[in-house]
Amino acid sequence: GAVVSQHPSRVICKSGTSVKIECRSLDFQATTMFWYRQFPKQSLMLMATSNEGSKATYEQGVEKDKFLINHASLTLSTLTVTSAHPEDSSFYICSARDPSEYQETQYFGPGTRLLVL
Amino acid sequence: DQQVKQNSPSLSVQEGRISILNCDYTNSMFDYFLWYKKYPAEGPTFLISISSIKDKNEDGRFTVFLNKSAKHLSLHIVPSQPGDSAVYFCATSAHGSSNTGKLIFGQGTTLQVKP
Repeated sequence: GAVVSQHPSRVICKSGTSVKIECRSLDFQATTMFWYRQFPKQSLMLMATSNEGSKATYEQGVEKDKFLINHASLTLSTLTVTSAHPEDSSFYICSARDPSEYQETQYFGPGTRLLVL
Repeated sequence: DQQVKQNSPSLSVQEGRISILNCDYTNSMFDYFLWYKKYPAEGPTFLISISSIKDKNEDGRFTVFLNKSAKHLSLHIVPSQPGDSAVYFCATSAHGSSNTGKLIFGQGTTLQVKP
């Protein structure tokens, strides 16, 4: 299957700072990437759909000014958590679709653990 | 309202036996179904998928069965191995002009395979 990477794998920051997480498709070009959040012992919650060259589509209840998404190239999407607070501490995971595949299989990155102190 | 449900939060199976993980969905428009495996602090790994035009898809030790009339799918792992211990998520999507490729995930089932 396709390979998706994320960086960093883990970040600890002070409250009020901004954190940028990168998601890269390594062996395919992804016109669409997705950002998820997972709380302990819960399912993956879709935050937004990142579209290359256009604005991201946010799910209901997700603050677009809080979670900035940029999809400037076909292999890179970034999620910036602005003015992070302790309640933003979570596991953030991105995924990407390989457009060469007919079906909508999403391939996930390894995730980023964010801890806001 | 949960559109994809995995009613068993956990399952324990002896090594070598069959593991059966179940998933129910509510929307008959869903036409593509996937199973992912997830270890703690890692991203989900794609396991196997099935299109609604089929009722079975097999890949090695993993077989997914789809019962459209019952809106139910299941993942069979046989024989189960200790390395299969993980959280398993079923997910689904729907084709159509409004399809954005979004997947809808179940809550997950934690599988423990005992040696």
